[in-house]
Amino acid sequence: DARVTQTPRHKVTEMGQEVTMRCQPILGHNTVFWYRQTMMQGLELLAYFRNRAPLDDSGMPKDRFSAEMPDATLATLKIQPSEPRDSAVYFCASGLSAGRNSPLHFGNGTRLTVT
Amino acid sequence: GQQLNQSPQSMFIQEGEDVSMNCTSSSIFNTWLWYKQDPGEGPVLLIALYKAGELTSNGRLTAQFGITRKDSFLNISASIPSDVGIYFCGGSNYKLTFGKGTLLTVNP
Repeated sequence: DARVTQTPRHKVTEMGQEVTMRCQPILGHNTVFWYRQTMMQGLELLAYFRNRAPLDDSGMPKDRFSAEMPDATLATLKIQPSEPRDSAVYFCASGLSAGRNSPLHFGNGTRLTVT
Repeated sequence: GQQLNQSPQSMFIQEGEDVSMNCTSSSIFNTWLWYKQDPGEGPVLLIALYKAGELTSNGRLTAQFGITRKDSFLNISASIPSDVGIYFCGGSNYKLTFGKGTLLTVNP
C-alpha cells in the first residue's frame, strides 16, 4: 500500500529551538496539506500545496512557521523559534487534484513536544 | 472560516448496537469525507461522498451526503470492539475542513 511518510515520529525540543518536520507524499499525488491536531482545537489546516506551489497558508502563524516543497517528493514544515504552545501532533496528507476533490491520505504524524 | 459541527462528541455503546453520527455546516461543500483515527496514527479514509443525496456503503458503514450539501451522516451497524476510535467528518471544496470528532467506545 502506498503511504504518506512523515519524519520524525516524535520530537522533543526546548523552547526557542528550530524544528523541521518532513513529509514524503504518495508518489503521483500533487496536493499536500499540513494539519495540526490538539485536544482543544482538533485538526486545523496550516498550509496547502498544489503542484508544489503554496495555495493557502492562512492557518499558519507566519512569524514562526514556514512550509515548503523543495521537490515533488518532499514537503517540509519548519518552526523557528519553537514555543511550548506549538506542542501538538502535526500531520501531512496528500491527494490527487484531478477535476474533483480527491480524498486525502494521511501520514502517521509527528508528535512535537516543546518544553 | 468554514466550521463543521460534529455530534455527538462521544458515544458509549454495547457491542452489536448500531451507531449514528452527523456533521452540519453553515457552508456548502462539494465533497464530504469520513475518517477514522486510531491512537498514535493518522486519520484513515472510510467513505467519500461527491454528490448531494449520495448514499454510500463500505461494509457495515453507510454515509450520506445531505441534499442541502451542508450536512452528512455516518452509520455503523452491528458495532464490534475494533470500531473503537475517533471518527471525523470532513467537508471539502478545495481544502478539507474537519469536524471536532466523535469518540466511539464499544463495550464487549
